This record gives sequence, C-alpha cells and structure tokens, in this order.
Amino acid sequence: QKEVEQNSGPLSVPEGAIASLNCTYSDRGSQSFFWYRQYSGKSPELIMFIYSNGDKEDGRFTAQLNKASQYVSLLIRDSQPSDSATYLCAVERNTGTASKLTFGTGTRLQVTL
Amino acid sequence: NAGVTQTPKFRILKIGQSMTLQCTQDMNHNYMYWYRQDPGMGLKLIYYSVGAGITDKGEVPNGYNVSRSTTEDFPLRLELAAPSQTSVYFCASRWGTFSGNTIYFGEGSWLTVV
Repeated sequence: QKEVEQNSGPLSVPEGAIASLNCTYSDRGSQSFFWYRQYSGKSPELIMFIYSNGDKEDGRFTAQLNKASQYVSLLIRDSQPSDSATYLCAVERNTGTASKLTFGTGTRLQVTL
Repeated sequence: NAGVTQTPKFRILKIGQSMTLQCTQDMNHNYMYWYRQDPGMGLKLIYYSVGAGITDKGEVPNGYNVSRSTTEDFPLRLELAAPSQTSVYFCASRWGTFSGNTIYFGEGSWLTVV
C-alpha cells in the first residue's frame, strides 16, 4: 500500500464547475496535510495546509480532513482554465526534530472551456 | 528576494560521471531538502538537513551524498551517474516543522544521464 495515494487522472471539469481532488494516506500518526499545485515544468507551490478534522477555506479552495478515514480532499470552486495543473497531496509526521513529509503522485486537473 | 536558488537548471551527464547540484537559500531556514521527481510521479526525498552540520537520509539516498557546512548551502553530489538518476531534482527549505510551516521549492534541475 502506498503511503499517500491519489488518482492520477486526468480529472476533467468544465469552467465554473467544482473540482474535487482526493487523497488517502496510510500513516495514522500523520499530523499535517498539504496541497501543492504544480504546473508542467515548474516547481510545486503551496495552496493550503490543514491539520484539524473538518474544513478549511481559502478563497475558492476548501481543504477537508477526516483523520478517522485517513482521507483529505481539496475542492476548487468556480474552476478556471488557470487551475489546470497537477495537484500534489503531501502528508507529514513530525518525530522530534525530524519531519517525514511524503508526497503522493499527484492528480492532473484539466479545466475545459 | 531570491528564495531557494538551484544550479544548474539543465545538465546532461555521461554514465559514470560525477557532478554536484548546488542549492542556496537566503531565508535563514534551518531545514533543507533534496527531492527527485520522475515523470508522472510524486516527489521522493533523497536527503534532508535540520541545520548546519546535520544531514540524514530520506527514501532514496543511494547514489547521492550531501553536506551542510553553512545554513545557506546544501549541495547534492551524484557519484558515478547512472541512467536511473535521470530525473528532475528539487531543493527545498523551511524554517521549522511545526504544523503548516511552508516549504519553499527551488525551480528545479533537469538531469539526464546517457
């Protein structure tokens, strides 16, 4: 079982729709959860982080965390063509001074006109 | 505000050659990381450092070495390059590891081993 699993996609949504990206993780001791966006040929950039169960909203983005189900998701409202990218889920477990940050393989999102 | 700077951006190596990927950050961050990303894959941690003089292995350290003599610099050394090391390499840094502390990535170094 992969430590962090994402559907590779592509996930295709029309402009203006809600895109729903999902991620599951295997380490129950994970504490922090991140969503990164990566455009082709570019480095990842942080969209959001969440560490408490429930929802966290930032503009058009909402992260949802359910630790009991080991599940984290990202909703993108009013999807725009500029949202077309690969979205990486990352899960972190801190052990003292060390930090284990594990990335999923990413879901490619295509927003169509 | 330079952030995390990686050099070179592109490099072609022959099998068996060695090289060093340079990484410098100007944010006085304690933590620095080297990741590799193969096509269509996520990022895999090669090595990381929690401060000057302290380094540790990540998921895929074989074939690589690092050093951290200063807070700013974290070079990655490839010894005896192999085709399996063809990848994109990202250096990253962060101030600490408390929840939500942002990781800043460099722009990446594209390495091809032929």
